[in-house]
Amino acid sequence: AQTVTQSQPEMSVQEAETVTLSCTYDTSESDYYLFWYKQPPSRQMILVIRQEAYKQQNATENRFSVNFQKAAKSFSLKISDSQLGDAAMYFCAYITDTGNQFYFGTGTSLTVIP
Amino acid sequence: EPEVTQTPSHQVTQMGQEVILRCVPISNHLYFYWYRQILGQKVEFLVSFYNNEISEKSEIFDDQFSVERPDGSNFTLKIRSTKLEDSAMYFCASSDQGGDYGYTFGSGTRLTVV
Repeated sequence: AQTVTQSQPEMSVQEAETVTLSCTYDTSESDYYLFWYKQPPSRQMILVIRQEAYKQQNATENRFSVNFQKAAKSFSLKISDSQLGDAAMYFCAYITDTGNQFYFGTGTSLTVIP
Repeated sequence: EPEVTQTPSHQVTQMGQEVILRCVPISNHLYFYWYRQILGQKVEFLVSFYNNEISEKSEIFDDQFSVERPDGSNFTLKIRSTKLEDSAMYFCASSDQGGDYGYTFGSGTRLTVV
């Protein structure tokens, strides 16, 4: 069964500092995709970053980057130069290359301290 | 940037009543989804829809639920006889290449069953 675990219900970071959000997952599949979604107070789910499991290179999107460790089934999100607008709930998600559904973690609530 | 539009943003209904949640996916997208998020919990998959039929559904998506794409632009979720535990945020999503490229989510409909 596919499961996604986020062990940090809440995190905080000082503005302009760096924070890392953790995610682990469990799967027997070899081909899959991993995502981080951001959910601000408006409740809309916004795609932050995507990683293909067959790629060793870690994905980056501006201030957002991931540390993907396939053997360890770990997929952490690093936010550099944190901004007030980064405050949100962050969800890690997984989907197989043949699947139709995302499996989401329980989320990490990130607070950015001015 | 293209958006997935959901209406209404908030709906209150009496227990036992039927509700229809509406979504307008991005026009050239072919895959459509409904997810729900009970307050404070993870986002859960309900159903995926492709080529005018359900491609996958979860255990949550029982006989009380149905989906329809009535006119080529709208994508609706119907709950026939609402229960208190149906109170949740319902997200519609669409994608053009399947879920492995990520979805575009709508901003959600908050359903409150009283």
